[in-house]
Amino acid sequence: QKEVEQNSGPLSVPEGAIASLNCTYSDRGSQSFFWYRQYSGKSPELIMSIYSNGDKEDGRFTAQLNKASQYVSLLIRDSQPSDSATYLCALHSGSARQLTFGSGTQLTVLP
Amino acid sequence: EAGVAQSPRYKIIEKRQSVAFWCNPISGHATLYWYQQILGQGPKLLIQFQNNGVVDDSQLPKDRFSAERLKGVDSTLKIQPAKLEDSAVYLCASSFTTGDEQYFGPGTRLTVT
Repeated sequence: QKEVEQNSGPLSVPEGAIASLNCTYSDRGSQSFFWYRQYSGKSPELIMSIYSNGDKEDGRFTAQLNKASQYVSLLIRDSQPSDSATYLCALHSGSARQLTFGSGTQLTVLP
Repeated sequence: EAGVAQSPRYKIIEKRQSVAFWCNPISGHATLYWYQQILGQGPKLLIQFQNNGVVDDSQLPKDRFSAERLKGVDSTLKIQPAKLEDSAVYLCASSFTTGDEQYFGPGTRLTVT
């Protein structure tokens, strides 16, 4: 089993809809969770971090964490074409707090 | 606040040649990371420095890759000799300390022919 698993997509949603991106992980000791956005040809950009169970909202973005189910998700409300990118789930694991990434989910928001 | 700086942005070399990448982290960030990102995959950590000491280099192919951060600020990553499978984007990131949020530079796209 991969340490961090994401649906590779592509995921397509119409403009204005809610996009839901999901991530599961295998290391129960993981403490910190992050969502990065990566536009084609660009480097990853941090958009959300979450450390405790529950929801965390920042503008149109909501991160959800359920440590018991080893599941973290990102919701994007009122999706815009500019949200079209690859979304990377990442978490800290191991004693060195190494950041481990999933392979990313490609999101396309259709105008 | 200036972000993470990297150079060069693009590099094309032939196999068996050597190449070096440079990174300047965000001012005040003690932890510096080098990642390799192959097309269609997430970044993979190569090496992590805390100040000028190595915290984790377990995934660094030490027979051909080396990295240093002599004064605890700038860092260089070297590949010698390069192989075709080293074609990737090399990303540098920094954080205030280990475990904090990481911020990435623009990356260096390496093509080995």
